[in-house]
Amino acid sequence: NAGVTQTPKFQVLKTGQSMTLQCAQDMNHNSMYWYRQDPGMGLRLIYYSASEGTTDKGEVPNGYNVSRLNKREFSLRLESAAPSQTSVYFCASSVGSRRLAGASEQFFGPGTRLTVL
Amino acid sequence: RKEVEQDPGPFNVPEGATVAFNCTYSNSASQSFFWYRQDCRKEPKLLMSVYSSGNEDGRFTAQLNRASQYISLLIRDSKLSDSATYLCVVILTDSWGKLQFGAGTQVVVTP
Repeated sequence: NAGVTQTPKFQVLKTGQSMTLQCAQDMNHNSMYWYRQDPGMGLRLIYYSASEGTTDKGEVPNGYNVSRLNKREFSLRLESAAPSQTSVYFCASSVGSRRLAGASEQFFGPGTRLTVL
Repeated sequence: RKEVEQDPGPFNVPEGATVAFNCTYSNSASQSFFWYRQDCRKEPKLLMSVYSSGNEDGRFTAQLNRASQYISLLIRDSKLSDSATYLCVVILTDSWGKLQFGAGTQVVVTP
């Protein structure tokens, strides 16, 4: 099992360009998440998908869109990149059982390092 | 004010020594607590959950103090491989699936 995979690993964009970060998991998890990590800030939730067919905003959704393509895949799109979106982006997944929600471990992908010039 | 605060460190620890550090959370509605570990330029991974009565996992001991709103992590007999950033994670009641992360405490174990 590959777990959670993300592509690309690195990306440099110019201001105003668009791109899509891809994420896939092979653990049959219901829930998937997108985070960004900035120095001194901790991971912040951008969007999440509790189950296939649903998506919800997290703490910092502005400037991003997501698509839960199927149970395995959850993509993050930057329509018009800005320097403030320079960050490391992590995708994560969890079993997502509501009965066990409070103790549901999240498994992270290796991250995408994005620089916007 | 951040919801979850940690001393960024670094905590420089000789191999074999004990190190402990805390994490404070601001929301009393917090219901679940975890420690994640993040190696340099890698993804976070769950280290251990934190239970109300405190819990151990090998050389790692986690404690929760609800009255003072903090959790702690103690590492005994530190190994070089324990060098990492330790992330405190909190889940609020009724905030299903939404983890709140601290910025992390860096631990450096030296020979």
